[in-house]
Amino acid sequence: DTAVSQTPKYLVTQMGNDKSIKCEQNLGHDTMYWYKQDSKKFLKIMFSYNNKELIINETVPNRFSPKSPDKAHLNLHINSLELGDSAVYFCASSSTGGPQHFGDGTRLSIL
Amino acid sequence: GESVGLHLPTLSVQEGDNSIINCAYSNSASDYFIWYKQESGKGPQFIIDIRSNMDKRQGQRVTVLLNKTVKHLSLQIAATQPGDSAVYFCAENRGTNAGKSTFGDGTTLTVKP
Repeated sequence: DTAVSQTPKYLVTQMGNDKSIKCEQNLGHDTMYWYKQDSKKFLKIMFSYNNKELIINETVPNRFSPKSPDKAHLNLHINSLELGDSAVYFCASSSTGGPQHFGDGTRLSIL
Repeated sequence: GESVGLHLPTLSVQEGDNSIINCAYSNSASDYFIWYKQESGKGPQFIIDIRSNMDKRQGQRVTVLLNKTVKHLSLQIAATQPGDSAVYFCAENRGTNAGKSTFGDGTTLTVKP
């Protein structure tokens, strides 16, 4: 039933490690997104894919690499994790010109 | 650059009262506006939207007002309930930008019983 699901829900790891977050949507949307939400709740877009093509790439370190194997999936791989990467990462999807549907977030904590 | 801002970071209301959450935006080319509600531990959830060819839209207990002249958006919640306690975000889109939304900073609404 879950429309936008992302895994894992919690991710605790050490600085310098590499980790991935997966996202899947079953809404038939053609656009997917990754957002970062900091401790003050500010939501900042990182990437957006439309039909598997990257269309938005904000000023994000190149340690972050999104991959979209098909239009229902958008994964986020992060290399060499840093303390400042600690945040909640949200995946979202939308149809063209419509509101976004968000997953419940992945809480990333860097030790 | 463009920005979207909410006028108050927190709002506290009594159960049963009406709530008004305000938002200002700076990009006059924005043509689509959305309000989201984020409850603790969850992702933002779509509440209501409005396009720039309208100035008012109503949903169930919620109304969005758009004033393009002063670039102002508001969300009105009627008969606020404890379940309305959450962080509320406004977001603006420009239709040519394939759905890219710029989010405001969020207003935390607390409903007192």
